[in-house]
Amino acid sequence: ETGVTQSPTHLIKTRGQQVTLRCSSQSGHNTVSWYQQALGQGPQFIFQYYREEENGRGNFPPRFSGLQFPNYSSELNVNALELDDSALYLCASSFGPGVDTQYFGPGTRLTVL
Amino acid sequence: KNEVEQSPQNLTAQEGEFITINCSYSVGISALHWLQQHPGGGIVSLFMLSSGKKKHGRLIATINIQEKHSSLHITASHPRDSAVYICAVKGAQKLVFGQGTRLTINP
Repeated sequence: ETGVTQSPTHLIKTRGQQVTLRCSSQSGHNTVSWYQQALGQGPQFIFQYYREEENGRGNFPPRFSGLQFPNYSSELNVNALELDDSALYLCASSFGPGVDTQYFGPGTRLTVL
Repeated sequence: KNEVEQSPQNLTAQEGEFITINCSYSVGISALHWLQQHPGGGIVSLFMLSSGKKKHGRLIATINIQEKHSSLHITASHPRDSAVYICAVKGAQKLVFGQGTRLTINP
């Protein structure tokens, strides 16, 4: 157990809908990173939040957005869902953006029909 | 070409065999991680290393910074070792992951 939790565990949406995924960081961690893992692939970096500000972004379109709250919990929002957005979404928290060790949550499996 | 390449992509072995999974990377890194992912998705960090070798139980991880290569070894493999093993490198900010090696250990 890493202390990082994600909700929901599973989610089914249809194309064009919007989705919000949630992540609760390990206590004391002020940095959260979000990753998308398609079936059979390694995770891909979406973005990172540090002290409520976006602190780096991967190659994902603007319809992927995020928020980090004062208690360092975080949300990933995806608008206008596409079939290819079906994946496992992982969040990972750390003590800071430059810290090498990240603690992963169990992930949210999103299916877009 | 991916920044992080793992081999093999799939590996099936018998219980007790010595297992080696390889990882090569092409970018400058501050650290390399070996991660284990079981069915259902949860990722567990096995090792983080920036030089030399680390050992934990039956698992050994090595890294050669000059050659940009790391290996994960499992001695006396067991069916409970069956999982996807992922190599990830830490650059300036983000983790870059390999595609994973699916390991199946048969009894």
